[in-house]
Amino acid sequence: GDSVTQTEGLVTLTEGLPVMLNCTYQTIYSNPFLFWYVQHLNESPRLLLKSFTDNKRTEHQGFHATLHKSSSSFHLQKSSAQLSDSALYYCALTDYAQGLTFGLGTRVSVFP
Amino acid sequence: GGIITQTPKFLIGQEGQKLTLKCQQNFNHDTMYWYRQDSGKGLRLIYYSITENDLQKGDLSEGYDASREKKSSFSLTVTSAQKNEMAVFLCASSLRDWGGAPSAETLYFGSGTRLTVL
Repeated sequence: GDSVTQTEGLVTLTEGLPVMLNCTYQTIYSNPFLFWYVQHLNESPRLLLKSFTDNKRTEHQGFHATLHKSSSSFHLQKSSAQLSDSALYYCALTDYAQGLTFGLGTRVSVFP
Repeated sequence: GGIITQTPKFLIGQEGQKLTLKCQQNFNHDTMYWYRQDSGKGLRLIYYSITENDLQKGDLSEGYDASREKKSSFSLTVTSAQKNEMAVFLCASSLRDWGGAPSAETLYFGSGTRLTVL
């Protein structure tokens, strides 16, 4: 079945520094749809960005990611982290057969 | 816009008890999902339903039953609660076009039901 592997555990960084969260996936489907969801404390997950197109940069709320099918990756990046970016981030994929397959999640803590 | 309402927000049960969680959505979405969220284990799919009275098992369906009574509601039953179990159950919905429109797969989540088994 499908699988998603993310940067493990906790990422801590200082406000203003860049952040990158790794996401790689495995699927037999040739055209997967990749997603990043973000979950702030005491909130439910919500969509951050998504992509279907190979080698095209997708941006939202200062974050960006590019789907690279050649390396099965969809890394999330931001050039300058803010305190409000502290949250749990999930990478996910769908091959349209059933609901999304999520990674284990990466917790980000941004400090002043 | 719309909203997904999960009840109850907190559920405390006893070992071996049958427990039911409810979910309602007013997005008029076709597909509804139940995910379980455990710390360090991500979001794992328990059941999903693409239309009223349809049920599809996810990877974590053992120990659970589900029911899609109507388009707007989807309930989940823990058939026998396990002692010391603690988890958050998230309901979600999507306007899934089963003809294959990938952009329709965005999930909208409820605020969750937090289960504690004593």
